[in-house]
Amino acid sequence: KAGVTQTPRYLIKTRGQQVTLSCSPISGHRSVSWYQQTPGQGLQFLFEYFSETQRNKGNFPGRFSGRQFSNSRSEMNVSTLELGDSALYLCASSLDPTGTVYEQYFGPGTRLTVT
Amino acid sequence: KNQVEQSPQSLIILEGKNCTLQCNYTVSPFSNLRWYKQDTGRGPVSLTIMTFSENTKSNGRYTATLDADTKQSSLHITASQLSDSASYICVAITDKLIFGTGTRLQVFP
Repeated sequence: KAGVTQTPRYLIKTRGQQVTLSCSPISGHRSVSWYQQTPGQGLQFLFEYFSETQRNKGNFPGRFSGRQFSNSRSEMNVSTLELGDSALYLCASSLDPTGTVYEQYFGPGTRLTVT
Repeated sequence: KNQVEQSPQSLIILEGKNCTLQCNYTVSPFSNLRWYKQDTGRGPVSLTIMTFSENTKSNGRYTATLDADTKQSSLHITASQLSDSASYICVAITDKLIFGTGTRLQVFP
């Protein structure tokens, strides 16, 4: 069974631009969560989708948004990029809506660099 | 406040040696505790998952322990290898996932 895939793996953008990241969960998983990881900060929760509905959202500005499609694939968008948005963006999929009952499986991440 | 603290922040050991990483958590209600290994620039990979009633679980050279009374967990790595160089993240589960900031382990030959 294929794992969680994320595209692109690496991205360089300029301040003020916007970016869209994509995540394909493991087949059969309807839950997708997104995290931002910066050095020393650990994983910061962005948002979580289950069956196309956003169930939870972390403490990030409205520039960060996401959506989930009927095939469970998810995208996250960051508008008006800032230097501080440079990070590894991880998505994780799970069988259960919150990822608290069944294991979360992480993708390899998208490394975003904002210059 | 739900919180997970890991120690040490970083650790350097020689290949073949054992080491133990610590995790203290304060979450309520507690559901389960997970340890993940994350190689640099990659996504975390699950090592162990322990519920309230389990106090030890092994995955090869990795052994996790859980003391639900003191709210402490440890990850013991036996006979370390160069490939063990990574960050190890402790996650306590309540109605959501509470992540620790990780321990960065470096194994040198």
